[in-house]
Amino acid sequence: NAGVTQTPKFRILKIGQSMTLQCAQDMNHNYMYWYRQDPGMGLKLIYYSVGAGITDKGEVPNGYNVSRSTTEDFPLRLELAAPSQTSVYFCATRREPLGEQYFGPGTRLTVT
Amino acid sequence: AQRVTQPEKLLSVFKGAPVELKCNYSYSGSPELFWYVQYSRQRLQLLLRHISRESIKGFTADLNKGETSFHLKKPFAQEEDSAMYYCALLDSNYQLIWGAGTKLIIKP
Repeated sequence: NAGVTQTPKFRILKIGQSMTLQCAQDMNHNYMYWYRQDPGMGLKLIYYSVGAGITDKGEVPNGYNVSRSTTEDFPLRLELAAPSQTSVYFCATRREPLGEQYFGPGTRLTVT
Repeated sequence: AQRVTQPEKLLSVFKGAPVELKCNYSYSGSPELFWYVQYSRQRLQLLLRHISRESIKGFTADLNKGETSFHLKKPFAQEEDSAMYYCALLDSNYQLIWGAGTKLIIKP
C-alpha cells in the first residue's frame, strides 16, 4: 500500500498563477485533510472532507478550493497564487473511529 | 479557546541524557492528545496517543489534567531521536489542533 501520496514534491509559482496539488490515498479512509505548515508554526487546517462529495472549510481556506469526487482523491486548487501561500502543504487521512491521522510527504510551494 | 502550546521551539540535549518535550493544552472537554514526529526527510507520523498509554521507541507521555499537560519523556536520548515533535489535541469535530512543534537535537 502506498498510503497517502502527494504530487508534486516541489513547485515554484509566479504571483497570479494557478495550480493543483494532488493528494491520493489507497487506505479507503473517508476523512481527508489539507494542512499548510509555515516556518515555526503548527499545522493549519485549510479544508477537509468527510467523504466523497462532501467538503468543508477549515481554519485558513481563503485562496484555496477543493473537490472530492472519489474516496481516493482530494486535490487542492490555488487559483491566484500569492506570496502568502508560500508554505509546505500536507494532505492527511483519518482512520475512523480513531483520531489519528496519516500524512503524505508534503508539497513545498514557493510563490515569487 | 482550544489551544496547544509547545513552549520550546528548540531543545538540545546530549546522547544518554533524559528528554522532556513540553506540551500544554486548553480544552473544555475530555481531551484526546497525540504526539507526532517528523524525522528528517520523512513524513509526519504518529508517535503515541494518550488513550493507549503505550511506550513507543522508549517515549512515554502522561496526561495531567490538573496541569493540562501532556509532556513527552524519554529517560535516555539517542541520536536517532533527533526530529521535529508535534503535540496535537483532537477537538469535538475530530479535527486536530496542533502545537507549533519542538525541534529536538541530540548531541553525540
